[in-house]
Amino acid sequence: DAGITQSPRHKVTETGTPVTLRCHQTENHRYMYWYRQDPGHGLRLIHYSYGVKDTDKGEVSDGYSVSRSKTEDFLLTLESATSSQTSVYFCAIRPDRGSGNTIYFGEGSWLTVV
Amino acid sequence: QQPVQSPQAVILREGEDAVINCSSSKALYSVHWYRQKHGEAPVFLMILLKGGEQKGHEKISASFNEKKQQSSLYLTASQLSYSGTYFCGTGAGNNRKLIWGLGTSLAVNP
Repeated sequence: DAGITQSPRHKVTETGTPVTLRCHQTENHRYMYWYRQDPGHGLRLIHYSYGVKDTDKGEVSDGYSVSRSKTEDFLLTLESATSSQTSVYFCAIRPDRGSGNTIYFGEGSWLTVV
Repeated sequence: QQPVQSPQAVILREGEDAVINCSSSKALYSVHWYRQKHGEAPVFLMILLKGGEQKGHEKISASFNEKKQQSSLYLTASQLSYSGTYFCGTGAGNNRKLIWGLGTSLAVNP
């Protein structure tokens, strides 16, 4: 158990509405990530964070913003949701100590934009 | 550059063996293997670091050939619980970000 909790786990929202997904960790790791997973595309990095208020873009960051005001929470916001953002979103952490850059995933958040 | 996994899909009978490959066009420092069951998160299996180290997890082992920039995952005497999609994630140097293959779907039937 990597101590990661995502909320909400499932959400249906309308096009144009803002949506925030929350990732909470209990181990105070520096590195946190947001991925989306879609058939035919695999796992794609949206944004990541390497500390409080330190974030950077991934490969598919357009339409998403993130915030990390506390070590334990990493928020992903869709400012104005579109149908193309219907996906499964996974938060992940990278332990501060350990070999390589292994990451561990949260349970996922299923988002449907109608 | 995204690593290429092969085959895309495998169907086995319980007890059979399988090999899943992950190839990259870039020099690699690490290869990470994960298994994902339908509706669940990817679960870490093992990491292989530069140096050709071979690892094992239950009856699943893997190798890393850094010269060929390739890793292979070996599943021996497959069990029903091995069914799922296997992903490799590759890391280059001290890069904080892994790059993922598209996955190999493995189905083990009785």
